Amino acid sequence: GDSVTQMEGPVTLSEEAFLTINCTYTATGYPSLFWYVQYPGEGLQLLLKATKADDKGSNKGFEATYRKETTSFHLEKGSVQVSDSAVYFCALSALGSQGNLIFGKGTKLSVKP
Amino acid sequence: DARVTQTPRHKVTEMGQEVTMRCQPILGHNTVFWYRQTMMQGLELLAYFRNRAPLDDSGMPKDRFSAEMPDATLATLKIQPSEPRDSAVYFCASGLVSGAILDYGYTFGSGTRLTVV
Repeated sequence: GDSVTQMEGPVTLSEEAFLTINCTYTATGYPSLFWYVQYPGEGLQLLLKATKADDKGSNKGFEATYRKETTSFHLEKGSVQVSDSAVYFCALSALGSQGNLIFGKGTKLSVKP
Repeated sequence: DARVTQTPRHKVTEMGQEVTMRCQPILGHNTVFWYRQTMMQGLELLAYFRNRAPLDDSGMPKDRFSAEMPDATLATLKIQPSEPRDSAVYFCASGLVSGAILDYGYTFGSGTRLTVV
């Protein structure tokens, strides 16, 4: 079945460090891919998305590229801030899934000043 | 910005009591999801609706959970009777699905934190 695998956390970085959170997926066909972010005490917010191979989603300095050949959608940011501390979820919506989102387990990021 | 509204934000109840959680999806969205989040299990899909009709509720314990959409502006999730293991944060999300493809992601509510003692 369809699935998403994220790198396990927690990830602790210093402010201005480079961030990579790995995400790989298994799905039939060409799913749409998403990154969501959850700040403490809040619901999930859509961070960025990509709907076809080689698309790059970007928002708030975060980027992720849809790599069909490696079935990956890694999240990157060049310089993290303390305010980026949150839990990040990779997700997919596969064709024929009726729009259902399948989430990874989430990666907790803590950024220290 | 349009928002998904969930009530109540927090609920503490005794084991055996009925709990009702409510969700107001974004106007114009045709798909509504209920998720449960715990530290141990992460995000679990409980049920979802398209145009108010249930599409899948296989993630819900059928004997005690029920989900409905009495109208396009309200989705409800009920637990009767509640048990301590139901303690979790319950999220509602809504979105627009055209055909069978989700293009834009879903908008989540802030959740209902349920504690059953």
